Amino acid sequence: EIVVTQSPATLSVSPGERATLSCRASQDVGSDFAWYQQKPGQAPRLLIYDASTRATGIPARFSGSGSGTEFTLIISSLQSEDFAVYYCQQYDDWPLTFGGGTKVEIK
Amino acid sequence: EVHLVESGGDLVQPGGSLRLSCAASGFTFSTYAMSWVRQAPGKGLEWVSALGTGDHENDIHYADSVKGRFTISRDNSKDTLYLELSSLRAEDTAIYYCAKDSRSYGGHQLDYWGQGTLVIVSS
Repeated sequence: EIVVTQSPATLSVSPGERATLSCRASQDVGSDFAWYQQKPGQAPRLLIYDASTRATGIPARFSGSGSGTEFTLIISSLQSEDFAVYYCQQYDDWPLTFGGGTKVEIK
Repeated sequence: EVHLVESGGDLVQPGGSLRLSCAASGFTFSTYAMSWVRQAPGKGLEWVSALGTGDHENDIHYADSVKGRFTISRDNSKDTLYLELSSLRAEDTAIYYCAKDSRSYGGHQLDYWGQGTLVIVSS
């Protein structure tokens, strides 16, 4: 099983600042990597797939990068609606696996 | 607009069984693989199972934690995905989400999710 490790577990950021979230896969997954946002009481929402492609309707302030085993999600200027938990996921091999999540909170 | 609506969650005793349903609308259900993902209270996301469609209707995958106990299926004539849960354990307590895959066979990003249905396993 491919283990996906997210860091940090919690990120405290002021509105308007940049947030950088990281994920590491335990083996090479190429670009088969996605990021999701989950707000309290809501379902996850796809943000990024294929490591760097924004999903439909996702603002340009969200960007994904990386390949192989190291991946990054950057939120360039945090808006109030961006404070949430973010999960990364690999889909290169079964079982699909998620990282443990990064909570982005208001500083 | 894509809509996924789960139902069937309930309080069930350890060892019991349950069937979850996911009604889909707003897209051609028969042409996309589907997955179930669960989330234990206050915890992260755990993929549970995936099922392809069409030429990939036998493309079925399970997490080791549920293999042999859960069964995924679909009825394309009813635009509905199912998950049969049996031999339930306390650790199966979670919100169960159905999610749409981006292709007809599983193993890709999950581009739409339902709001989930809560399963509680407790005596």
